Amino acid sequence: DIQMTQSPSTLSASVGDRVTITCRASQSIDIWLAWYQQKPGKAPNLLIYKASSLESGVPSRFSGSGSGTEFTLTISSLQPDDFATYYCQQYITYHTFGQGTKLEIK
Amino acid sequence: QLQLQESGPGLVKPSETLSLTCTVSGGSISSSSHYWGWIRQPPGKGLEWIGSTYYNGRTLYTSSLESRVAMSADTSKNQFSLKVNSVTAADTAVYYCARHLLLGDNPDYFDAWGQGMLVTVSS
Repeated sequence: DIQMTQSPSTLSASVGDRVTITCRASQSIDIWLAWYQQKPGKAPNLLIYKASSLESGVPSRFSGSGSGTEFTLTISSLQPDDFATYYCQQYITYHTFGQGTKLEIK
Repeated sequence: QLQLQESGPGLVKPSETLSLTCTVSGGSISSSSHYWGWIRQPPGKGLEWIGSTYYNGRTLYTSSLESRVAMSADTSKNQFSLKVNSVTAADTAVYYCARHLLLGDNPDYFDAWGQGMLVTVSS
């Protein structure tokens, strides 16, 4: 099974900051990676697919990059609505999620 | 607008079978472009894909649950279902149903989710 590891597990930042979350795969997944945002008590919401494609309706401050085994999600200028937990997911072989990164207000 | 809604018992006894249904509105589960999946999230923990089903009956399951899980699709009711047998407290979680795009041979990312339903396993 492909394992997905996110870092950091928790990230403290302020409104206006640029933040980056990393996701590493245990083997190459090419570009078959998605990113989701989840707020407490809500279902996850798709942000990015195919490593760098922005889902319709998602603000352009979100961007994704990477291929193979290392990927990043970047938020260029944090907004109050962005404080949430973020998950990566590989979908080259079945589906595996990372353990999540909680983005907190500093 | 596509909507997915989970339903079923919120409390299941240990060793019994957990059964959930996802009702889809605003779209058809007979779509050849989509798979339909289940994902769960234990309280305070991360997301775990359980499995997915296609309208023609094809199913895919995660290896860790494969021996206890069954999924099916009912195109006449526009619903798909999940059964997990021999449940224990470790199966307590919020269960989400979701839609995958199918762009190749296997399902891709999840582009629509239900609101989720907490299922507690307890006597």
